[in-house]
Amino acid sequence: KNEVEQSPQNLTAQEGEFITINCSYSVGISALHWLQQHPGGGIVSLFMLSSGKKKHGRLIATINIQEKHSSLHITASHPRDSAVYICAVRPQGGSEKLVFGKGTKLTVNP
Amino acid sequence: SAVISQKPSRDICQRGTSLTIQCQVDSQVTMMFWYRQQPGQSLTLIATANQGSEATYESGFVIDKFPISRPNLTFSTLTVSNMSPEDSSIYLCSAYLPNEQFFGPGTRLTVL
Repeated sequence: KNEVEQSPQNLTAQEGEFITINCSYSVGISALHWLQQHPGGGIVSLFMLSSGKKKHGRLIATINIQEKHSSLHITASHPRDSAVYICAVRPQGGSEKLVFGKGTKLTVNP
Repeated sequence: SAVISQKPSRDICQRGTSLTIQCQVDSQVTMMFWYRQQPGQSLTLIATANQGSEATYESGFVIDKFPISRPNLTFSTLTVSNMSPEDSSIYLCSAYLPNEQFFGPGTRLTVL
């Protein structure tokens, strides 16, 4: 079983829809990252969370440490949001290594 | 904040040859990481590269196949040696700064 599970694996939405991507993990963590990967391969870090909620523009990320669960929300989705969204956790123990989920491929149609 | 650049951005190589990928960070960082992303898969850590010490490799990756250099706090190279088609992947460089993780644009490698 993967230490980081994401759902759904694939998601298709219409422009303007509210999007939710979920991430569950099985280990104690010091931080959780949400990353965005475009078709060219490069990765952009969207959020790093250790508790609570963060917001940046139309993106909102939440984390529940007790339930070992995080969500990434996109409000008023746009075709340019189409990408793979990856959840990654930094396990407790002082290491800076990340453990990655398999990603959620989001397609937003105009 | 940090900006990471990688060279080359993509390459097509013949079986049995080697390719060196360069990673440049615009800030001084202690820890740099090299990841591989095989087609349709998530990222897998190859090794951690700290300046002034030997790279630390993850299980399944060895120095002879993936030699790494880290000559200073802003630069690292990863060499993919004696390549086979199974090495076709995206290779990503990453740097850790407190409270943030940065990634390079990736090098898309195809081995024929």
